[in-house]
Amino acid sequence: AQSVTQPDIHITVSEGASLELRCNYSYGATPYLFWYVQSPGQGLQLLLKYFSGDTLVQGIKGFEAEFKRSQSSFNLRKPSVHWSDAAEYFCAVGSVATDMRFGAGTRLTVKP
Amino acid sequence: DAGVIQSPRHEVTEMGQEVTLRCKPISGHNSLFWYRQTMMRGLELLIYFNNNVPIDDSGMPEDRFSAKMPNASFSTLKIQPSEPRDSAVYFCASSSSFMNTEAFFGQGTRLTVV
Repeated sequence: AQSVTQPDIHITVSEGASLELRCNYSYGATPYLFWYVQSPGQGLQLLLKYFSGDTLVQGIKGFEAEFKRSQSSFNLRKPSVHWSDAAEYFCAVGSVATDMRFGAGTRLTVKP
Repeated sequence: DAGVIQSPRHEVTEMGQEVTLRCKPISGHNSLFWYRQTMMRGLELLIYFNNNVPIDDSGMPEDRFSAKMPNASFSTLKIQPSEPRDSAVYFCASSSSFMNTEAFFGQGTRLTVV
């Protein structure tokens, strides 16, 4: 069965510091992988997605993620965090929209 | 386009009452999804429609939940009767195709059943 694990429930980083949010998945075939961000009181916004090809994917707002098949991981990174990045981040896996599974989310707090 | 529009943003109701959540998908999108977000279970797909037809409602938790899509620009999710454990944020999302996994989400309806 497919599943997504985000090991970190809550992460706090200082503004300007680098960020890495972890995501591990279990999927029976080549997965499509996604990162969404949810700001307080808002819906989910797609940050980036991986379907195939280059395993380093660039997204919006300066985020990137790297697909590592051997580790079943799709970690999200940003070299320098801004206060506006404080939000909840969801990793998701699936092959079609109806088959998507979301992780439990990681809440990011940014210290001034 | 204004994106996916959900109403109301917040709803507080008493146990046993009927609750109706509304969604307007992005114009031109022919797939619509209802999700529920809770702390315990995270994001769950409840039901999805393709071309206004319900395709899979296996995620609907109980018969108290029902969803309709009378036309391409409107969908409702109804809970009757509501219970405190239905308290959650309900998201509507739309996509140009159910095969296209890039879904666009509304801002959600925060439902509190007291």
